[in-house]
Amino acid sequence: GAVVSQHPSWVICKSGTSVKIECRSLDFQATTMFWYRQFPKQSLMLMATSNEGSKATYEQGVEKDKFLINHASLTLSTLTVTSAHPEDSSFYICSAPGPGGGELFFGEGSRLTVL
Amino acid sequence: AQSVTQPDIHITVSEGASLELRCNYSYGATPYLFWYVQSPGQGLQLLLKYFSGDTLVQGIKGFEAEFKRSQSSFNLRKPSVHWSDAAEYFCAVGAHGTNAGKSTFGDGTTLTVKP
Repeated sequence: GAVVSQHPSWVICKSGTSVKIECRSLDFQATTMFWYRQFPKQSLMLMATSNEGSKATYEQGVEKDKFLINHASLTLSTLTVTSAHPEDSSFYICSAPGPGGGELFFGEGSRLTVL
Repeated sequence: AQSVTQPDIHITVSEGASLELRCNYSYGATPYLFWYVQSPGQGLQLLLKYFSGDTLVQGIKGFEAEFKRSQSSFNLRKPSVHWSDAAEYFCAVGAHGTNAGKSTFGDGTTLTVKP
């Protein structure tokens, strides 16, 4: 089956620094990828849709300048949390529709802790 | 607007017992329905999906779900639970293909399996 991989799986950073999370489709091409945020014991909240070769589409309430998304190739999307603060600490997950378009494949998630 | 309700926040069953996780949805058209499982600190894995046709769908790991349009439900079942099934389970409704990431997720049900 299709595989989506995220890196890093966990990261700790100081407040005010920026952190980049990568999401790769390993064995298929993904023109669209999705980024979610998940708080403990809660569901996934869609943050944005990453579109290869064009600007990301952000959900209402998500700060575009805080969460920069770049989909530079058909297999890679990156999420950069800029000037991170403790309230940005969360579990970030990406997904991509599989080759058949019928289901989503999720990355392993990235745990961000901002001190 | 589409929505998903998982009435049970937490369910505990004994190993070997049967399991049913409830999911109710609201959707304006024929829904695409999904069940995902998430182990701690991991991304989501698709258990099964319903697009059309037979309302009883079989998934991986011995799970099945039944779509009941009249009840707006898509409950997940397993005849005999294994300790490794302990995880978080999410029901989702909505989009397909490149918009699959815009599916709406329920708040999840935590499954604990007693020895």
